[in-house]
Amino acid sequence: DAGVTQSPTHLIKTRGQQVTLRCSPKSGHDTVSWYQQALGQGPQFIFQYYEEEERQRGNFPDRFSGHQFPNYSSELNVNALLLGDSALYLCASSLPGSGEQYFGPGTRLTVT
Amino acid sequence: SQKIEQNSEALNIQEGKTATLTCNYTNYSPAYLQWYRQDPGRGPVFLLLIRENEKEKRKERLKVTFDTTLKQSLFHITASQPADSATYLCALDGIYGGSQGNLIFGKGTKLSVKP
Repeated sequence: DAGVTQSPTHLIKTRGQQVTLRCSPKSGHDTVSWYQQALGQGPQFIFQYYEEEERQRGNFPDRFSGHQFPNYSSELNVNALLLGDSALYLCASSLPGSGEQYFGPGTRLTVT
Repeated sequence: SQKIEQNSEALNIQEGKTATLTCNYTNYSPAYLQWYRQDPGRGPVFLLLIRENEKEKRKERLKVTFDTTLKQSLFHITASQPADSATYLCALDGIYGGSQGNLIFGKGTKLSVKP
């Protein structure tokens, strides 16, 4: 049973560019959440997708957007990258109403 | 302002002892509190979830308490082993009622267990 997978593993971008990160949830899970984790900090909630719609959103600007596909996989898009966007981006999947989150290994984004 | 604090950034203990990690929060009323383990360069791994109406929960060598009056959770690892060395994250859940999945994490406590 494959767990949560994310791609790519690492990414280096320049300020002002755009980036797309991808996530496949654990088998049987239909809810996907994205988190940003800066070095030395806990993960911060970005948004959550369920039934292909954004269900909840944290305190992140509109430069952060997402999408969920019919197979429950998801993308996180970040436009106009800033140096401060450098972080580990984590995807987590779950069943609706289940608190337990299954996290992927993350994508390490470096903005130069 | 709303805060969640894990009182120690780092905790060093001897193998075989009990590790106790603390999580305090203010201005929230979470319905659930969760604990995760995170190893360097990897995603967090779920350990335990405790509900607001539960005082204590156990799983093998792990024990979590939840005091909604003190707004505090304690996480214990008994008979600790070097393999328990990792960062442990506390997360609030259900601050708007029901488990929503939009977890609010603390910064974590880095536990080192020495042989």
